[in-house]
Amino acid sequence: DAGVIQSPRHEVTEMGQEVTLRCKPISGHDYLFWYRQTMMRGLELLIYFNNNVPIDDSGMPEDRFSAKMPNASFSTLKIQPSEPRDSAVYFCASSLGLGNTIYFGEGSWLTVV
Amino acid sequence: EDQVTQSPEALRLQEGESSSLNCSYTVSGLRGLFWYRQDPGKGPEFLFTLYSAGEEKEKERLKATLTKKESFLHITAPKPEDSATYLCAVQGNQAGTALIFGKGTTLSVSS
Repeated sequence: DAGVIQSPRHEVTEMGQEVTLRCKPISGHDYLFWYRQTMMRGLELLIYFNNNVPIDDSGMPEDRFSAKMPNASFSTLKIQPSEPRDSAVYFCASSLGLGNTIYFGEGSWLTVV
Repeated sequence: EDQVTQSPEALRLQEGESSSLNCSYTVSGLRGLFWYRQDPGKGPEFLFTLYSAGEEKEKERLKATLTKKESFLHITAPKPEDSATYLCAVQGNQAGTALIFGKGTTLSVSS
């Protein structure tokens, strides 16, 4: 079975550019999560969806960040405009039910210069 | 506010030298405590879920235990391939809350 699939794996972009990260959750999972990982702050929850509907976006740092889930098999996290402090690893994860085991993708490594 | 604190931040062991990692948590009603392993350049990989105080789970050289305030991940006779970052996360009972992670313990096992 395919796990959570994320793209791109690595992205280097210039400050001010738009960045779009993509995620395909595990088929049948009804929850999708976006996390950000940095050395300083560890793994932080940005937003999560249930059945394609955003439930909690309180972790989204500012209006430059937006996330969508147009269907059960695809989600995007967009940063516009990007800033150097957005450099981090962004993980997408999915689960069957809230409170059950969540499964992570391999992450998207973002560097903003 | 739900909180997870892991200690130590880093741990160096010799092969065969057993030790424990600690995860202290504060949560308004624990629904579950999760342990993950993360290798460099990879996403976290699920290890265990514990639900109630006194519960224990084992997998190869790893054993996770849970009390009302903390969880321990015991590593018995570790091998170099056990080197990784171990993450602890809690799921509270409050409706709509998602997993909250600690910052992890980075374990290095040398031969």
